[in-house]
Amino acid sequence: QKEVEQNSGPLSVPEGAIASLNCTYSDRVSQSFFWYRQYSGKSPELIMSIYSNGDKEDGRFTAQLNKASQYVSLLIRDSQPSDSATYLCAVNSGITGGGNKLTFGTGTQLKVEL
Amino acid sequence: KAGVTQTPRYLIKTRGQQVTLSCSPISGHRSVSWYQQTPGQGLQFLFEYFSETQRNKGNFPGRFSGRQFSNSRSEMNVSTLELGDSALYLCASSSGLAGGLETQYFGPGTRLLVL
Repeated sequence: QKEVEQNSGPLSVPEGAIASLNCTYSDRVSQSFFWYRQYSGKSPELIMSIYSNGDKEDGRFTAQLNKASQYVSLLIRDSQPSDSATYLCAVNSGITGGGNKLTFGTGTQLKVEL
Repeated sequence: KAGVTQTPRYLIKTRGQQVTLSCSPISGHRSVSWYQQTPGQGLQFLFEYFSETQRNKGNFPGRFSGRQFSNSRSEMNVSTLELGDSALYLCASSSGLAGGLETQYFGPGTRLLVL
């Protein structure tokens, strides 16, 4: 079983719609969760971080965390063509030894259509 | 603040050779992590260095090694290159002081092609 799972997509949404990206993880002791955006040929860029159960909003982006269900999601409101990219869910599994050890999902490709 | 820098950006090597990649973290950051990204395996954690010590390690063979200097700059070395080592190698930096609850910022990566 993969430690972090995402639907690979592509997920196609029309411009102006809400895009919903989902992620599940297997390590129950994980405490920090991240969404990165990666354009083709570029490095990952942080979109959101979330540490507590519930919602966290930043502009058009909302991250949701449910530790009991081991589930993280990212909502993108008013989707724009520039949002077309691969979205990577990452979980920090380095807590036991301290420090950082991000485990990534395979990414969901989002396409925002005009 | 300047971001994470990586050199070189592109590299072509042949099988059996060795390669050294360099990463300079964001000023003030003491943790440097290395990741390998391939189309087949995605993004995989190699190792993390903090205060010149390896703090976390991924599941890669011993051909992959790293080190960190007193100024927090880090190098990664891959010996006896194999075709499967062709990948984008990403470096990420963070403060290293928040017990894993911190954000890592990625550099532009070094794209390695092994022929």
